[in-house]
Amino acid sequence: SYVLTQPPSVSVAPGKTATISCGGDNIASKGVHWYQQKAGQAPVLVIYYSSDRPSGIPERFSGSNSATAATLTISRVEAGDEADYYCQVWDSRVNHVVFGGGTKLTVL
Amino acid sequence: QLQLQESGPGLVKPSETLSLTCTVSGGAITSMSSYWGWIRQPPGKGLEWIGTIYYSGRTFYNSSLQSRVTISVDTSNNQFSLKLNSVIAADTAVYYCARQAYSYGEYYFDSWGPGTVVTVSS
Repeated sequence: SYVLTQPPSVSVAPGKTATISCGGDNIASKGVHWYQQKAGQAPVLVIYYSSDRPSGIPERFSGSNSATAATLTISRVEAGDEADYYCQVWDSRVNHVVFGGGTKLTVL
Repeated sequence: QLQLQESGPGLVKPSETLSLTCTVSGGAITSMSSYWGWIRQPPGKGLEWIGTIYYSGRTFYNSSLQSRVTISVDTSNNQFSLKLNSVIAADTAVYYCARQAYSYGEYYFDSWGPGTVVTVSS
């Protein structure tokens, strides 16, 4: 089955840029979607199709996808960005949703 | 604005069947580009996809749960449901329902319910 690999944790100082990676086999050929989950809350979609932003999501959130990994970038990080972040793809070979293991973003 | 709400028992005994319903408001469950999914999250762990249904009844299930899962849809009441049988303690989790948007061959979850805690215990 398809596997997505994320770093368990990322730390960043306020005002700096956070990058969270999501690796998978031939991931550049897939649309990667990202979710933010704050403590005790349901996940929220922050990036879809690797780089598109839903309405209401700040421009500080951006995404990219390359041969090596998909990346979620959060610019000018704020304390309120502290959360778990999950990447997700659709594995069309077996018609499965696949989530990465999640990355805990800590704002120092 | 689309809203989803999970409902069902918060406590289920081992070996019994977990049953949850998701009520959709602010939009039709028969929307052409909408699929409907169930996702769960065990305490302190990550997200796990359970399965997905289209209003026509077409389903996709996580192969690791397929033998125990049934997802159904009730278009007259704008609801879809989850049944997980022969539950064990490891099925204890927060269960979410979500709208699964479909476009250009991709599926992603753009609206989520708040989640409901289900504990498996005698």
